[in-house]
Amino acid sequence: AQSVTQLGSHVSVSEGALVLLRCNYSSSVPPYLFWYVQYPNQGLQLLLKYTTGATLVKGINGFEAEFKKSETSFHLTKPSAHMSDAAEYFCAVSERDAGNNRKLIWGLGTSLAVNP
Amino acid sequence: DAMVIQNPRYQVTQFGKPVTLSCSQTLNHNVMYWYQQKSSQAPKLLFHYYDKDFNNEADTPDNFQSRRPNTSFCFLDIRSPGLGDAAMYLCATSMGGLVGYTFGSGTRLTVV
Repeated sequence: AQSVTQLGSHVSVSEGALVLLRCNYSSSVPPYLFWYVQYPNQGLQLLLKYTTGATLVKGINGFEAEFKKSETSFHLTKPSAHMSDAAEYFCAVSERDAGNNRKLIWGLGTSLAVNP
Repeated sequence: DAMVIQNPRYQVTQFGKPVTLSCSQTLNHNVMYWYQQKSSQAPKLLFHYYDKDFNNEADTPDNFQSRRPNTSFCFLDIRSPGLGDAAMYLCATSMGGLVGYTFGSGTRLTVV
């Protein structure tokens, strides 16, 4: 079974600083990888995804992530943090269940705080 | 805009009193999911419908049931809510899960 590890349950950065949220996965097959953001009392919003092709993926709100197969990583970055980026971030990998349906395996999430 | 809509946003129910949460979608996605999310935790998949086929997660309590009368609507029924069922309930849709899920805004359930 696939799994997702997010290093650091809490990350704090200063406004304008680089944001780096780490995600490692385990998968025996080429993975589909996702980053979602969740603001308080809201659902999850897709930031970006990797399925095939270019390994550097650009998403919304200035975020991007790079799929590194050799490192089994899909870290999320943003060059300059904004106060509005404060939220919970989830990394996920898609796998097929026993019924051959795809479902998401979630990391535990990283809470990002942005300090003025 | 095409989207996933959950009603209500906030629901308060009494201990043991059946409650139903609803989800509708205008995306025409064939898969609909129900997740439970407790504070500071990742979403936990309860079950999903692949078209009309119901798929229950092995550890989903029998207290939780679901109905999907048509492509657009899906309901989560909690037959006898306990205090431990207080959580955010998230509905999501996808086209076979290949391109990521679209989530609703969630329903925050409080059990009193």
